[in-house]
Amino acid sequence: DTGVSQDPRHKITKRGQNVTFRCDPISEHNRLYWYRQTLGQGPEFLTYFQNEAQLEKSRLLSDRFSAERPKGSFSTLEIQRTEQGDSAMYLCASRLDARGTDTQYFGPGTRLTVL
Amino acid sequence: AQSVTQLDSQVPVFEEAPVELRCNYSSSVSVYLFWYVQYPNQGLQLLLKYLSGSTLVKGINGFEAEFNKSQTSFHLRKPSVHISDTAEYFCAVSDQTGANNLFFGTGTRLTVIP
Repeated sequence: DTGVSQDPRHKITKRGQNVTFRCDPISEHNRLYWYRQTLGQGPEFLTYFQNEAQLEKSRLLSDRFSAERPKGSFSTLEIQRTEQGDSAMYLCASRLDARGTDTQYFGPGTRLTVL
Repeated sequence: AQSVTQLDSQVPVFEEAPVELRCNYSSSVSVYLFWYVQYPNQGLQLLLKYLSGSTLVKGINGFEAEFNKSQTSFHLRKPSVHISDTAEYFCAVSDQTGANNLFFGTGTRLTVIP
């Protein structure tokens, strides 16, 4: 069990550019979540996948955001035409959806800075 | 929908003193309750969780929390803190069915003073 990994750890971009983040969950974890954490706040839910299906999206996830989990393993989160307000830590978490399991395991996050 | 209120944004405490971090929640459905810790530039690590059963739950690093349904609270406690406990602590809830996504409070910054 190598834990949840995220890449890159840091990303600096200019306003208007597109960025893509990757999350590799714990193997065999069928649920994968994306959260966003801004300075001084707790993480806020963005979206989640059950295997490859995206089952729920928060109102925070504007049209400029898209997430995929094509083979039910790793996931990507893309932000198009970045804005300064997108600057945040993007956290990924995974869990096993099975009776008696309930804990989400978090990755180290990707810190995005939009200049 | 669920919401979480962490009443103290910052808590300074001297080393080896006890500490309590407060958490209240609001929900129209039954929930699970969690405490996570976040060290600088790191992700969140689970400290403890309440699912059902005994209202006093013990976690890692000597922390414990007590679920109080009537007061909708889940306060975190440690009898004697260490310098290494300095971190951000988040209380979170999730519903027991469906997406199980977590709703977090705004966090409490615990600073242990030598």
